[in-house]
Amino acid sequence: DTAVSQTPKYLVTQMGNDKSIKCEQNLGHDTMYWYKQDSKKFLKIMFSYNNKELIINETVPNRFSPKSPDKAHLNLHINSLELGDSAVYFCASSQDSGSGQGIYGYTFGSGTRLTVV
Amino acid sequence: AQSVAQPEDQVNVAEGNPLTVKCTYSVSGNPYLFWYVQYPNRGLQFLLKYITGDNLVKGSYGFEAEFNKSQTSFHLKKPSALVSDSALYFCAVNRDNAGNMLTFGGGTRLMVKP
Repeated sequence: DTAVSQTPKYLVTQMGNDKSIKCEQNLGHDTMYWYKQDSKKFLKIMFSYNNKELIINETVPNRFSPKSPDKAHLNLHINSLELGDSAVYFCASSQDSGSGQGIYGYTFGSGTRLTVV
Repeated sequence: AQSVAQPEDQVNVAEGNPLTVKCTYSVSGNPYLFWYVQYPNRGLQFLLKYITGDNLVKGSYGFEAEFNKSQTSFHLKKPSALVSDSALYFCAVNRDNAGNMLTFGGGTRLMVKP
C-alpha cells in the first residue's frame, strides 16, 4: 500500500537518450511535485502540479517535461539526457490544493536514481 | 522569498547522549516549519511540524523541536540518541497564504556512534 510510488527505482542510461520516470499517489492529494536531489543532497523543486495544472515551474531546462494525465499521476520525461542530469529524483504529493493554507507537509516517494553515462 | 539554513553539515553524537540538529529560517509572515528524515536509499519521511500553538512540538521516534520566533529557529532535539537515528535530516519552511511550497535546508547528516 505504497502512498507515493515511483518507477523505476534505478535508471542507468547513455547521454542523448530520452527517458521517463513515473509517479503515482493513492492518497487523494491534489498537488504533486518533482524534486531533484544532487550529489550534495541538496533538494531543489522542479515542478508542481495541482489538479493536473502546472503551478510551479522552476528554472529547469526545457528538456524536462512533466505530464499529469490525472491528479494521481505526475510523470517526468527527460529528453537528450546529459551527464549533469545524474541525480536522485523525488516525487511528492500534498493535501493542500494551493488555496494558500500551506499547513500540510509532503509525502515523498522513495526516489529514482538516474545515472547518465 | 523564504529560506532555511542548516549550519552543520554533520553532527556526531554518542549513543545515549542528547542530540540537537540546528535550523534557522527566514520568511515573511507566519512560518510553518517541518522536519524530515532521509535514511539511505529512501525518500524523505515526515518527523514533525510546527503550525501554531505550543512552541515545543513532539514528533515521531522520540524527536521534538522547539520553535523560537525571536531567534527564527526550529532546532530538532532528542534526549537520548540511538544508533538507528543516524540519517540525513532536513528542515523545511512554508508560510501561510503562500500555497504549499516547501523550501528545504541543505540537510544535516546525523551520525550516532555506539
